[in-house]
Amino acid sequence: EAGVAQSPRYKIIEKRQSVAFWCNPISGHATLYWYQQILGQGPKLLIQFQNNGVVDDSQLPKDRFSAERLKGVDSTLKIQPAKLEDSAVYLCASSPDRPQETQYFGPGTRLLVL
Amino acid sequence: GENVEQHPSTLSVQEGDSAVIKCTYSDSASNYFPWYKQELGKRPQLIIDIRSNVGEKKDQRIAVTLNKTAKHFSLHITETQPEDSAVYFCAAPNTGTASKLTFGTGTRLQVTL
Repeated sequence: EAGVAQSPRYKIIEKRQSVAFWCNPISGHATLYWYQQILGQGPKLLIQFQNNGVVDDSQLPKDRFSAERLKGVDSTLKIQPAKLEDSAVYLCASSPDRPQETQYFGPGTRLLVL
Repeated sequence: GENVEQHPSTLSVQEGDSAVIKCTYSDSASNYFPWYKQELGKRPQLIIDIRSNVGEKKDQRIAVTLNKTAKHFSLHITETQPEDSAVYFCAAPNTGTASKLTFGTGTRLQVTL
């Protein structure tokens, strides 16, 4: 089966610019996650979708980050405006029906904010 | 929310030796504990997980043990090989409605020849 797809793989922007990341989960997976992984740290959950509804966005900096999952499949994560501290790898993951199933991660988007 | 602590942060072992990584968690209602391996520049991949109804689970050279009373779980890798070199993350769920995973800070394992 095809894995979780993400694009772009790398992005370099200047601070105060905007950027968007795209994720296509494994077909049929109901739950989709966006994580932020800063160098040397574990992934930190930003937002979790169940189908096309948000079930947890408690750690999403909502003044600059937004995410949507239209039609319960693909998802986009946007940062506007970006700050230096947003430099990280943004990982998308998906899992089948229940949150406590195996999460399958995409390759990530490495963002550098200058 | 869940607090997960992971030790050590780095671990160097010789090929063939065993490696043990430990994690503690704070939410006594947590019932699912996965371990992920992340090679340099790659995505995290699940290597083993354990649910709270068992105390130990083994898969070839990898095992995980769980002590619910003490709220800690450990990853054991026996007969280590150079390809085991990676960063290992433990995780535990919050038991709220979202059951989101909180990840540990990671252990960089280096297996030397």
